[in-house]
Amino acid sequence: ELKVEQNPLFLSMQEGKNYTIYCNYSTTSDRLYWYRQDPGKSLESLFVLLSNGAVKQEGRLMASLDTKARLSTLHITAAVHDLSATYFCAVEGTGGFKTIFGAGTRLFVKA
Amino acid sequence: EAGVAQSPRYKIIEKRQSVAFWCNPISGHATLYWYQQILGQGPKLLIQFQNNGVVDDSQLPKDRFSAERLKGVDSTLKIQPAKLEDSAVYLCASSQLQGMSSYEQYFGPGTRLTVT
Repeated sequence: ELKVEQNPLFLSMQEGKNYTIYCNYSTTSDRLYWYRQDPGKSLESLFVLLSNGAVKQEGRLMASLDTKARLSTLHITAAVHDLSATYFCAVEGTGGFKTIFGAGTRLFVKA
Repeated sequence: EAGVAQSPRYKIIEKRQSVAFWCNPISGHATLYWYQQILGQGPKLLIQFQNNGVVDDSQLPKDRFSAERLKGVDSTLKIQPAKLEDSAVYLCASSQLQGMSSYEQYFGPGTRLTVT
């Protein structure tokens, strides 16, 4: 059974600092997604990672995937207040079925 | 391009009543998902359609929840009868299909259900 664990679940950081969110999953997967959710809003797609060693960057966020370790990271560089949100990783099972979401990391960036 | 549409946006019902949610996916998206998101948790997949066929409904409480996708486009999710623990946001998402796998999912605004 596919399980997805994120850590930390809560992160409070100062503006300008760097930090990494981790996403571990339990079985072979076709692809991994990162989403952002603002309070009271729906989910917004950030990254889709398709293969081992994949790295994608958008602004201050960079995501990577290690399929052998079954680990993805979301790295935040020089955080700004606008990045405050909940970040979810989601793992798609083989064959394109049953996407499982992690519990989310609630990020708060203090000015 | 228009996004995923959902209605209603909010619904308050009493326990044991029934409720239905509607979703219109992005045009051309073959795969449609219904998720339940309880406050403070990640979305939980309830059912996944590919065109108008069900490909996964293993986490759908079938004694009270039902869903259909007529003609492979719009979908409805129904709860009958509702329980207090069904209070959550119900998210609909859609994605394109490439081969056996789907692309990233695009989420609708959600329906916030409160059961009293």
